[in-house]
Amino acid sequence: DGGITQSPKYLFRKEGQNVTLSCEQNLNHDAMYWYRQDPGQGLRLIYYSQIVNDFQKGDIAEGYSVSREKKESFPLTVTSAQKNPTAFYLCASKERETQYFGPGTRLLVL
Amino acid sequence: GNSVTQMEGPVTLSEEAFLTINCTYTATGYPSLFWYVQYPGEGLQLLLKATKADDKGSNKGFEATYRKETTSFHLEKGSVQVSDSAVYFCALLGGSQGNLIFGKGTKLSVKP
Repeated sequence: DGGITQSPKYLFRKEGQNVTLSCEQNLNHDAMYWYRQDPGQGLRLIYYSQIVNDFQKGDIAEGYSVSREKKESFPLTVTSAQKNPTAFYLCASKERETQYFGPGTRLLVL
Repeated sequence: GNSVTQMEGPVTLSEEAFLTINCTYTATGYPSLFWYVQYPGEGLQLLLKATKADDKGSNKGFEATYRKETTSFHLEKGSVQVSDSAVYFCALLGGSQGNLIFGKGTKLSVKP
C-alpha cells in the first residue's frame, strides 16, 4: 500500500521541550512539505524539501527545524522557541503538480 | 501575491440538495487549481483538480470548472449526501516554493 504516514496521531509537549513529528512516504516522491493548520484557517507552509539533503524555509519556519537524510523521511522538530505550537500538522509529498497528504499529527501543550 | 478566497461557512444543507462552494483566486498566470476535502480528525484528500483554463475536474459527483475570465473554480454537486459532510479547501499551486496556497476552508454539514 503506497502512501504517507505520520506519527504519532497525538503529541503532548511540555514547556521548554523539543518534540519531533514523523513523516514517511513510500511513493518515491522527491518533494515533501510540512504545513500547519489552525482552527478555521487554511494551511500554512512551514518547511519544504525538493530533494534529499536539501530543504528550505516556508512562510512560518520560526521555531521549527527539519532534516531530509532519506528520500522517504522528512521529520519536523517543534522547538521550545515556537511559543504557540498547538495546531494540526500535515505532511505532504508531491508528484508533478499534485500534493498528497498524510493523516496529520495534533500537537497539544501541557 | 497569489491568494485564494472561498465562501465562508458553515454551509448546512439537506440531503439531496444542490451544493455550490464558491472559490476565487488571484494569481500570476494560470496556476493549477485544486479542491481538497478534510473529514474530522483526518488529513486532506484530493477531491479534484484542473490544470488549465476551461478544464473541468470531476470526482465522486463533484465538479469544478477552471474559469480564467472570472478567476473562479467553484465546487458543485447535484445531490449531496450525509457522508459529504466535511471541510472543503480550494487551493492553487502558486507558492514561490512550489507549494499550495489554500483558502480558509468551508465546512459543509448535510442533514438527513
